[in-house]
Amino acid sequence: NAGVTQTPKFRVLKTGQSMTLLCAQDMNHEYMYWYRQDPGMGLRLIHYSVGEGTTAKGEVPDGYNVSRLKKQNFLLGLESAAPSQTSVYFCASRRSHGNTEAFFGQGTRLTVV
Amino acid sequence: DQQVKQNSPSLSVQEGRISILNCDYTNSMFDYFLWYKKYPAEGPTFLISISSIKDKNEDGRFTVFLNKSAKHLSLHIVPSQPGDSAVYFCAAGADSWGKLQFGAGTQVVVTP
Repeated sequence: NAGVTQTPKFRVLKTGQSMTLLCAQDMNHEYMYWYRQDPGMGLRLIHYSVGEGTTAKGEVPDGYNVSRLKKQNFLLGLESAAPSQTSVYFCASRRSHGNTEAFFGQGTRLTVV
Repeated sequence: DQQVKQNSPSLSVQEGRISILNCDYTNSMFDYFLWYKKYPAEGPTFLISISSIKDKNEDGRFTVFLNKSAKHLSLHIVPSQPGDSAVYFCAAGADSWGKLQFGAGTQVVVTP
């Protein structure tokens, strides 16, 4: 039972480069999320999706884009990476009914130099 | 503007004793609260939750207490074990979409 899987686990980018982080879940969850974790700040919501084909902005969406073409996948894109986007990125998913817990992936550590 | 605050960045406790982690929030619209545990290089894992209609929820060694009037919740771990050494995040939600606000986390170290 894989749960939530993130690809890649580590990445170093140069300023201005682009990349896509992939999140895949096998729990048939409707809701998916991208968070970033920075030292001393906890996790902050970047974007989220409440179903296939839908996306919405979270707390810190600037500089990121997302897509949810398939229910099981949620992609996070950085079009032109900046050093301020150096962070650990976590994807999560949750079923749609009730106030249930979200399940998190193992994280992607991204460094922008 | 941080709506969920964990004011203690670290906590050291002896094995077998009680660990008490605290969390304060400012948004009165929060209606459910969760605690997550995180080991290094892993994602957060769910520990326990509580709805705003309750003041206590217990699951084995873990108990969460909610004081709505004080906008305060706490997590009690009894007895503490070495495997409990991790970062603990408090989180709160206010809508049906599952968006969460997280605290900055508390690093717990359980010593033998």
